[in-house]
Amino acid sequence: EAGVAQSPRYKIIEKRQSVAFWCNPISGHATLYWYQQILGQGPKLLIQFQNNGVVDDSQLPKDRFSAERLKGVDSTLKIQPAKLEDSAVYLCASSLGGGGPYEQYFGPGTRLTVT
Amino acid sequence: GENVEQHPSTLSVQEGDSAVIKCTYSDSASNYFPWYKQELGKGPQLIIDIRSNVGEKKDQRIAVTLNKTAKHFSLHITETQPEDSAVYFCPNLDSNYQLIWGAGTKLIIKP
Repeated sequence: EAGVAQSPRYKIIEKRQSVAFWCNPISGHATLYWYQQILGQGPKLLIQFQNNGVVDDSQLPKDRFSAERLKGVDSTLKIQPAKLEDSAVYLCASSLGGGGPYEQYFGPGTRLTVT
Repeated sequence: GENVEQHPSTLSVQEGDSAVIKCTYSDSASNYFPWYKQELGKGPQLIIDIRSNVGEKKDQRIAVTLNKTAKHFSLHITETQPEDSAVYFCPNLDSNYQLIWGAGTKLIIKP
């Protein structure tokens, strides 16, 4: 079974530029998560999708971050404009469902550096 | 229940020795206790979990024990190997079935 795929793996941009990350979850997984992980910290949930609907985006900085999951499969996360404090690893995870303690499967992440 | 404390923050053990990481929680209604392992450059991976109706669970060299009275659960790794070096997390499952992550424990296995 293929795991969660993410691209790119690394990205370096200057502040005020825009960037987009892509995630392909495990086939059949209804729930998709985007996390931000700052160095030395645990992952912080940014947004959770159930199929193609948003379940929770309460911690997504909506003035600069946006995410979509078209057709309930792949997802993209965009930052525009980027700030220095956005430097982090952006992790995508998927699970079978969201209404219970299902195992979350993580991709390798995208390491973003904002200079 | 979103308060989970994990310690130590860093643990260094000799290869072959045992390692124990402990998490305490505050919500007595908590009923699911997972442990995730994050290796350098990778995303976290579930290594073992336990439900509140079970006191202990083992899988080869790893085990998790739950003390509901004291509200803590521990990860035990025996006969540690270099590949056990990683950051270990005990995220808390909140009422919305979302995982709330702390800073984790960095486990270093010394050769």
